[in-house]
Amino acid sequence: DVKVTQSSRYLVKRTGEKVFLECVQDMDHENMFWYRQDPGLGLRLIYFSYDVKMKEKGDIPEGYSVSREKKERFSLILESASTNQTSMYLCASSPTGTGNTEAFFGQGTRLTVV
Amino acid sequence: QKEVEQNSGPLSVPEGAIASLNCTYSDRGSQSFFWYRQYSGKSPELIMFIYSNGDKEDGRFTAQLNKASQYVSLLIRDSQPSDSATYLCAVLEYGNKLVFGAGTILRVKS
Repeated sequence: DVKVTQSSRYLVKRTGEKVFLECVQDMDHENMFWYRQDPGLGLRLIYFSYDVKMKEKGDIPEGYSVSREKKERFSLILESASTNQTSMYLCASSPTGTGNTEAFFGQGTRLTVV
Repeated sequence: QKEVEQNSGPLSVPEGAIASLNCTYSDRGSQSFFWYRQYSGKSPELIMFIYSNGDKEDGRFTAQLNKASQYVSLLIRDSQPSDSATYLCAVLEYGNKLVFGAGTILRVKS
């Protein structure tokens, strides 16, 4: 059974803290993604990675960074958390290729910054 | 212009009717197209993918792709109350960038 696992389901952090969100996949997928989801805005892409140590900015990278040191793990870092980063964060992974390159999602991390 | 656009809805249809969901995209280099369903409080799950022009059918679901006009649609036949959810259109752009629309809320009334 395919699996994408996010380290926490719920997190509460203080403004200014450095926050780490971890994501691990066991499908040997090349691509990994971090999204945030807010009501009415759908999934907005923060960063993605198509290979180890490779990263690309998505549509809303400001205030975030990422790390991919191993193929199975993709970390999202909030350098200095702010209240406007309170959101649901979703990690996904997908294979590279043609045809069905379905992205599989983790269970999500609900982050609250106070 | 947003990369992937959807009507946010809600789209309300009676049970047994056909629900029609639409999506347009801006990147002409896009390779593959997906429809995900998301129930409240859950993660998105794949319903259909399509990468060739035309129609693709799977049970009660039909995906339609028109690359020249840059739109993708999803038809749900014989809609059921359990189909009530948010439907997300996703586009795999050149360079493996997977972009989602804002989603359409579907409500099927019994």
